[in-house]
Amino acid sequence: EDQVTQSPEALRLQEGESSSLNCSYTVSGLRGLFWYRQDPGKGPEFLFTLYSAGEEKEKERLKATLTKKESFLHITAPKPEDSATYLCAVQGRAAGNKLTFGGGTRVLVKP
Amino acid sequence: DVKVTQSSRYLVKRTGEKVFLECVQDMDHENMFWYRQDPGLGLRLIYFSYDVKMKEKGDIPEGYSVSREKKERFSLILESASTNQTSMYLCASSFLAPRDRGVYNTGELFFGEGSRLTVL
Repeated sequence: EDQVTQSPEALRLQEGESSSLNCSYTVSGLRGLFWYRQDPGKGPEFLFTLYSAGEEKEKERLKATLTKKESFLHITAPKPEDSATYLCAVQGRAAGNKLTFGGGTRVLVKP
Repeated sequence: DVKVTQSSRYLVKRTGEKVFLECVQDMDHENMFWYRQDPGLGLRLIYFSYDVKMKEKGDIPEGYSVSREKKERFSLILESASTNQTSMYLCASSFLAPRDRGVYNTGELFFGEGSRLTVL
């Protein structure tokens, strides 16, 4: 069974204070690892897909990286509008069409 | 602007009532999904549909059924609501994965804003 663990559960940052979120996973053959952002009271919004170890994707202040056991979401010089819950999900070969989501990391960026 | 629209943001129902949650997408996506999201349990897949009238059970299908009569519309039905079905329900859609991937789901989902259901 695929498993995803995200840490920390919550993160408080000052504006401009860079940090990283961790997503550790176990999966029977990785098809893809996905990052989503979720604002309070809204549905998740897709950010990135990573397919293989060593791959990196960037969007504005966010950069996602992937190893064989974990993924990191780096937030560089965050702004208050980066405050959200960030979700990680994996799609394993044995799971077919299903994604397994982690519990998320709640990020609060204070001005 | 692409959109997944869920019919109700907030619903309050009584135990034993039949509940319909409707979802419409305007992106011509083949795939549609119903998830529920609970604190501490994360997002869990209830049902998935990759084509009209086609469906696949997710991780927690018990107590739920679905209907997909048209490509753009995917309905979640609670035949007899129970208090443990109080939750946030999220609909999502996506394009079909390329055939050589061996699955329908790309993992790149577009979610609606959610329907918060309370069962009393």
